[in-house]
Amino acid sequence: QQQVKQSPQSLIVQKGGISIINCAYENTAFDYFPWYQQFPGKGPALLIAIRPDVSEKKEGRFTISFNKSAKQFSLHIMDSQPGDSATYFCAASYLYNFNKFYFGSGTKLNVKP
Amino acid sequence: DTGVSQNPRHKITKRGQNVTFRCDPISEHNRLYWYRQTLGQGPEFLTYFQNEAQLEKSRLLSDRFSAERPKGSFSTLEIQRTEQGDSAMYLCASSPQGGGAYGEQFFGPGTRLTVL
Repeated sequence: QQQVKQSPQSLIVQKGGISIINCAYENTAFDYFPWYQQFPGKGPALLIAIRPDVSEKKEGRFTISFNKSAKQFSLHIMDSQPGDSATYFCAASYLYNFNKFYFGSGTKLNVKP
Repeated sequence: DTGVSQNPRHKITKRGQNVTFRCDPISEHNRLYWYRQTLGQGPEFLTYFQNEAQLEKSRLLSDRFSAERPKGSFSTLEIQRTEQGDSAMYLCASSPQGGGAYGEQFFGPGTRLTVL
């Protein structure tokens, strides 16, 4: 049973556009939601993370929107750039014990110049 | 480079052979994790160490898999009698006690295993 469901599987956006990736979870005990970015041949790297006591977190062009009642969270990439082309993974974990993350299946983003 | 390192980066083996991967975490990180990532999927948790103690193992980690972290520093992941279904990217990650300020796990570049 997949703990975190991610969509879409792939996304093509024009340069300067907005990229939106969505995730949903079932386990209401999750209380830490990071987004990781992975380039080919590299390991995932933390992009931005949110805790459920806030509904939005912004870092530069990247924003996480969190809807606790719907058990959904999303990543918005504003002014998307070709350098943002990568695979993005959402994940969920427990703040009290960072022993493992449950990752979504990933979204491959292609930003066209 | 002070990040997580993994060796080898690529391993091709024949079915039935044993393979061993090594992970060197960021120094002073006492937590170490192994994940498996198959094509088109997100990483799946395999096991977790705090210092030298292996505290959690996924049911994905069959009897053919064993992981060690003998001195609380580097870790090895061994797969015995490899099967074609073991073909995947094996990722190692580390984090400081408490997960750091943002609970971040720092990932290495992975070892890509191909079982023929």
